[in-house]
Amino acid sequence: EPEVTQTPSHQVTQMGQEVILRCVPISNHLYFYWYRQILGQKVEFLVSFYNNEISEKSEIFDDQFSVERPDGSNFTLKIRSTKLEDSAMYFCASSTRKGDGGTDTQYFGPGTRLTVL
Amino acid sequence: AQSVTQLGSHVSVSEGALVLLRCNYSSSVPPYLFWYVQYPNQGLQLLLKYTSAATLVKGINGFEAEFKKSETSFHLTKPSAHMSDAAEYFCAVSEDTGFQKLVFGTGTRLLVSP
Repeated sequence: EPEVTQTPSHQVTQMGQEVILRCVPISNHLYFYWYRQILGQKVEFLVSFYNNEISEKSEIFDDQFSVERPDGSNFTLKIRSTKLEDSAMYFCASSTRKGDGGTDTQYFGPGTRLTVL
Repeated sequence: AQSVTQLGSHVSVSEGALVLLRCNYSSSVPPYLFWYVQYPNQGLQLLLKYTSAATLVKGINGFEAEFKKSETSFHLTKPSAHMSDAAEYFCAVSEDTGFQKLVFGTGTRLLVSP
């Protein structure tokens, strides 16, 4: 069964460093998302991406964050200058085009645990 | 704005007992509602979703949920718990407004004892 994959599974970085989290969505999906989950807290929406542009972003997704689909398969989240509070599990998700009369399922990857020291 | 409230951060049941995980939502428009499960060190897996087709929704692993508009609830149930059901369960809501961001609840950890 197709699945969303994410690399690395765990990333440790120093405060102020740039990190890039990588995701390979399911191949025929067109909508892409990033969410994060700070330890012990709820899963929070960061950004959605469609047709090579951001379609919606949350207030968390400030100028330090960017997303890109550099080729036909990868979807990346970049944090330019990491802060301690960026430590979290980051989940990538993808879905197909929204169908009539309903909403398509978002399929989640296993996540990347980011630790900022 | 949409929101989800999950009552009880932890629910403990015995194997074979009824599982009931509570979810109440707030939405200004008819919502789409989801239950996701997260096993340790894994991503979020969809259990079931409500998209207005039927108020009683059946999902994987014997779970089901009933949408009750009058109570703004979407509680998750399973008649008989299994040890393998031990996991974190998240209720989520989205609105049919373009790109369907999910708004999650805080999650409920289900503990199953022998």
